Amino acid sequence: DAKTTQPNSMESNEEEPVHLPCNHSTISGTDYIHWYRQLPSQGPEYVIHGLTSNVNNRMASLAIAEDRKSSTLILHRATLRDAAVYYCILRTRGGETSGSRLTFGEGTQLTVNP
Amino acid sequence: ETGVTQSPTHLIKTRGQQVTLRCSSQSGHNTVSWYQQALGQGPQFIFQYYREEENGRGNFPPRFSGLQFPNYSSELNVNALELDDSALYLCASSLNRERANYGYTFGSGTRLTVV
Repeated sequence: DAKTTQPNSMESNEEEPVHLPCNHSTISGTDYIHWYRQLPSQGPEYVIHGLTSNVNNRMASLAIAEDRKSSTLILHRATLRDAAVYYCILRTRGGETSGSRLTFGEGTQLTVNP
Repeated sequence: ETGVTQSPTHLIKTRGQQVTLRCSSQSGHNTVSWYQQALGQGPQFIFQYYREEENGRGNFPPRFSGLQFPNYSSELNVNALELDDSALYLCASSLNRERANYGYTFGSGTRLTVV
């Protein structure tokens, strides 16, 4: 599986935008970029995904570089409830025997200050 | 729609014992995956089930096995428990086993402690 690189930790202030970067220089043409987050004592939660174009949903925005070698998850107004570990994952279409799995890295621990 | 539910939430077992963890998939999802998450690390893929058959496996020994039932619920079985098996076990369901443009829904996990 292609590898992603994220900063270990980031800090933000409440109600300010947060930009979480992810590098994935070995991404292939069939890899989707997925973001999940994990709040303390919970399972990971799907945030957003994209292939080539920027994506928006109610939780966040995903900005994908033109060469697809990096992406940025944008939280437009951070709240205390956004404090979590954010994982950037490349997900490849699976096959008959391999399925389609998520390969988690270490993620970015986001701290939101009041 | 209901999410993914896992049981039990916490479990303590003795080394050498066997354990069964259970998972009910989100309504409408036909694929279930299991992940192991050690403290301070990201989840690691164990295996995936689709149509009651294993459909992908991570780097885990055969003593980790599973089942998927016709209603898409699933079990994870671990035999001959070792101390290093202590972890949070996560179940995740998805609509399609192959397509990479579907998100997974995770349960809150089962915290297994092996003593």
